Amino acid sequence: AQTVTQSQPEMSVQEAETVTLSCTYDTSENNYYLFWYKQPPSRQMILVIRQEAYKQQNATENRFSVNFQKAAKSFSLKISDSQLGDTAMYFCAFMSTSYDKVIFGPGTSLSVIP
Amino acid sequence: GAVVSQHPSRVICKSGTSVKIECRSLDFQATTMFWYRQFPKQSLMLMATSNEGSKATYEQGVEKDKFLINHASLTLSTLTVTSAHPEDSSFYICSALAENTGELFFGEGSRLTVL
Repeated sequence: AQTVTQSQPEMSVQEAETVTLSCTYDTSENNYYLFWYKQPPSRQMILVIRQEAYKQQNATENRFSVNFQKAAKSFSLKISDSQLGDTAMYFCAFMSTSYDKVIFGPGTSLSVIP
Repeated sequence: GAVVSQHPSRVICKSGTSVKIECRSLDFQATTMFWYRQFPKQSLMLMATSNEGSKATYEQGVEKDKFLINHASLTLSTLTVTSAHPEDSSFYICSALAENTGELFFGEGSRLTVL
């Protein structure tokens, strides 16, 4: 069974600084999708970034980038130039290409300090 | 971008009654939808995977007779909490999969309070 681990329950970062959130996962599959989702107090899940496992190039979306290490089963999220609006829960998630389930990690609560 | 609408956003009901939550994909067809439950300050717990035209696949420990899922069309999945009890009070979230892109879109969530 697939599992997703986020070892940092809480993190804080100074505004405009850079922060990295960790995520590791376990799977026996070769092809899959990995996601980072943001959940602000409104509880609406917002997609931050998505990575397809067969793509070696790390995904980037503006200030957000990932360090995808397939062999190590690691998928960390780097947030550059942190903004107050980045304060939220961040969830790492795994989805197999058979689309039969999506597994979320326990989450990291990120606080951006002015 | 693609939108998933979940309704109602909040519902309060009496113990013993049933409550239906709808999840609609507004501008794409979703063969697969997922239902989650989220407790305060916790992650999303997958309850079941809903596939259009077939029975839902429930995760271990989730009572299928308690949480009825129906995915009768490519744009609508429903979750019915039957004979609700206070311990069923929670935040329920749906997501719909756009298979052509592998993207997952979430509804706004439904806060259920059972008195």
